[in-house]
Amino acid sequence: QSVLTQPPSASGTPGQMVTISCSGSSSNIGTNTVSWYRQGPGTAPKLLIYHNNQRPSGVPDRFSGSKSGTSASLAISGLQSEDEADYYCATWDDSLSGHVFGTGTELTVL
Amino acid sequence: EAQLVESGGGLVHPGGSLRLSCAASGFTFSNYWTHWVRQAPGRGLEWVANIKTDGTEIYYVDSVKGRFIISRDNAKSSLYLQMNSLRNEDTAVYYCARGNGEGGFDIWGQGTMVTVSS
Repeated sequence: QSVLTQPPSASGTPGQMVTISCSGSSSNIGTNTVSWYRQGPGTAPKLLIYHNNQRPSGVPDRFSGSKSGTSASLAISGLQSEDEADYYCATWDDSLSGHVFGTGTELTVL
Repeated sequence: EAQLVESGGGLVHPGGSLRLSCAASGFTFSNYWTHWVRQAPGRGLEWVANIKTDGTEIYYVDSVKGRFIISRDNAKSSLYLQMNSLRNEDTAVYYCARGNGEGGFDIWGQGTMVTVSS
């Protein structure tokens, strides 16, 4: 069981904004930065957000990240059909002395 | 273009061993922490291990401690994962990933499948 909890599913219609949450604790999100990944079927994960709210080059500004206390969020605006994928948060956990991933959220574009 | 390519996966019996390799190209491998991340069929991502640029710091997830060994050869721009005493629950796609220095894994390989079964 992961120490980072995400909703198992999320959905939205094209053009809408969707937010995915990631809940942790003081030993992980509360102390360290959060990154977010997208994974399509049968493909490797792709980095979307690092250091809580930074986008790598090439990632559209439709994707944004935030962190408050022991929780983090990924917002996707202007939802597109190609955004259908699984999304994961991740961070370092000081108690475990290791990285941890969230439980994952399957995003459906209706 | 920065790239990671894994190899070495396959079918192994419980209790057996396997060595995964990850070849890096297109960037200075020795400048980056590198990681192994796995994904069991139909499951989420699980971080397995990481290793510092010079190999002097190593961390593992509890479930593989004492069984898996991560190592690197900077001269060959390669990362390795020696997996011993394999269990059914180690069955997964294993990815190598580059740490970007700010908490993110910015380059991923395509993954290599490891199946532990009798």
